[in-house]
Amino acid sequence: DAGITQSPRHKVTETGTPVTLRCHQTENHRYMYWYRQDPGHGLRLIHYSYGVKDTDKGEVSDGYSVSRSKTEDFLLTLESATSSQTSVYFCAIRGTSGSNKETQYFGPGTRLLVL
Amino acid sequence: AQSVTQLGSHVSVSEGALVLLRCNYSSSVPPYLFWYVQYPNQGLQLLLKYTTGATLVKGINGFEAEFKKSETSFHLTKPSAHMSDAAEYFCAVSAGGTSYGKLTFGQGTILTVHP
Repeated sequence: DAGITQSPRHKVTETGTPVTLRCHQTENHRYMYWYRQDPGHGLRLIHYSYGVKDTDKGEVSDGYSVSRSKTEDFLLTLESATSSQTSVYFCAIRGTSGSNKETQYFGPGTRLLVL
Repeated sequence: AQSVTQLGSHVSVSEGALVLLRCNYSSSVPPYLFWYVQYPNQGLQLLLKYTTGATLVKGINGFEAEFKKSETSFHLTKPSAHMSDAAEYFCAVSAGGTSYGKLTFGQGTILTVHP
């Protein structure tokens, strides 16, 4: 257990509304990631962070923004949700020492439905 | 750039039979390779990983995988399938610290185990 929680776990929203998903970790990990999972696509990287206020885009970043104002929280925002953003969103942290080095550990996921 | 191809989106085996899930990758630098398992409505759990050293790696639940550089493969095997192995399996590649540890996933393979 890497001490990762995601909130909310489920959300239904309407097209055009803003949505913020939260990832919280308790073990002071430097690297955090947001992925989305869609059938037939596996998981695809949206954004990642390598420190407080240090973030960068991933493979599918259009329509998403992120913020990391403190080590433990990494927020993903959909500025104006669209139906194509209906997905399951996973947060992950990366271990950097010992047997956990280079390994990403995933949170339980957030199911988002955009109507 | 890196990519992962999982051959076969669905694999079906009988209980007690050999499990073989195929993964081929491409990477411009020495890869780090991972297999994750996802049970229904859950997050991803690490099965095993290859970073450096021994090319045959053993993971949890009796699974193992062999890194074959010449074949750019990292196939997952288990000698005898159990009903509890039914899940979706993802192969992933990263370039390690040189890429901030970003993972690229295959599209996933759903494993069904028949009695």
